[in-house]
Amino acid sequence: NAGVMQNPRHLVRRRGQEARLRCSPMKGHSHVYWYRQLPEEGLKFMVYLQKENIIDESGMPKERFSAEFPKEGPSILRIQQVVRGDSAAYFCASSPPDRYNEQFFGPGTRLTVL
Amino acid sequence: ELKVEQNPLFLSMQEGKNYTIYCNYSTTSDRLYWYRQDPGKSLESLFVLLSNGAVKQEGRLMASLDTKARLSTLHITAAVHDLSATYFCAVDRKGGSEKLVFGKGTKLTVNP
Repeated sequence: NAGVMQNPRHLVRRRGQEARLRCSPMKGHSHVYWYRQLPEEGLKFMVYLQKENIIDESGMPKERFSAEFPKEGPSILRIQQVVRGDSAAYFCASSPPDRYNEQFFGPGTRLTVL
Repeated sequence: ELKVEQNPLFLSMQEGKNYTIYCNYSTTSDRLYWYRQDPGKSLESLFVLLSNGAVKQEGRLMASLDTKARLSTLHITAAVHDLSATYFCAVDRKGGSEKLVFGKGTKLTVNP
């Protein structure tokens, strides 16, 4: 059973470009969470999604950031018009529907904005 | 707002020594998690503590939870170099969504 998959693992963007980060949850998992980790910091919650629904987006910046988890395909975290402050590691986690909070983390996408 | 504080943030210790990392949280929580992160890597789940008085052990690491004191400890026994990593505790908020709130992490360095 493959774990949580994220791609790309490393992403370099210039200021003003768009970044798209993908997350495929573990098989059988229907809950996806996105977290951001700045250097030397803990992870900060961004958004929690179930298939086709955003459940909690209280940690998402109000502008430029969006997330989706379509019926088919991976979850996408999209950052428009990136700025240097967006440089961070973005981790996705997934959990099964019957065991809330036991979250399994993916390898992360390290975004660098030049 | 749920807050999680870890201390110390940096810990340098010699092989063979014992030490404890502390994790305090501010409001009632359902579950307490400990994770390990190696540089440039993802988070590895170490322990999930579900109830007051819970104690779990794996190798040289032992975690405990006191929900009344809102405190969890991660005790390291006879440290070895391979334990060098950053350790995070995380909690969720009772009655809230399933998001985890993380501490800032404790960067552990075990010296020969």
